[in-house]
Amino acid sequence: GAGVSQSPSNKVTEKGKDVELRCDPISGHTALYWYRQSLGQGLEFLIYFQGNSAPDKSGLPSDRFSAERTGGSVSTLTIQRTQQEDSAVYLCASSLQGTTGELFFGEGSRLTVL
Amino acid sequence: KNEVEQSPQNLTAQEGEFITINCSYSVGISALHWLQQHPGGGIVSLFMLSSGKKKHGRLIATINIQEKHSSLHITASHPRDSAVYICAVRSKSGGSNYKLTFGKGTLLTVNP
Repeated sequence: GAGVSQSPSNKVTEKGKDVELRCDPISGHTALYWYRQSLGQGLEFLIYFQGNSAPDKSGLPSDRFSAERTGGSVSTLTIQRTQQEDSAVYLCASSLQGTTGELFFGEGSRLTVL
Repeated sequence: KNEVEQSPQNLTAQEGEFITINCSYSVGISALHWLQQHPGGGIVSLFMLSSGKKKHGRLIATINIQEKHSSLHITASHPRDSAVYICAVRSKSGGSNYKLTFGKGTLLTVNP
């Protein structure tokens, strides 16, 4: 597609359930980022994928969070056993090249954990 | 202390006014980004700069590397400029220079 696509745009779930958030980056972009934006907070880095290199997972807040990127394209962020503090907007961004490229953001997935 | 500080946090202006949003950072950087986020909307990249000045329409971004400071200016502001403006810096350190550190944003409201 023309831009970064994320789904679902909104997700309401119950505490303890697992959720999957999907990001489809711009075709040809080798770098993909996941960020989290909590209410009133700045963007928080979660994970970075660059081509076939091992991802930088240093921003993942706990082992309940994981992400994968299949075939160097689509990425899925999985949150297991969701907690109320996981409620936030999860943003995906991609760029042509990770260290120098302009970032293109998706519209985000708003997660609400009841 | 956050590595990236923006000021002001909130800004209200009348249509037509000249707007300045400031960003100061404390680390060596390879690039600085200005981003725009409309309420309930996604984030759009406005500028990426590493020196000097860039201009797109009514928007101007400047950076002073020595002073570790950048400004975003909006000339002839319009209500549609109302949004959160976010400054983000890309670290210069070789191992993690893909990472961005974000400011907390400046909420701009332009009244008609």
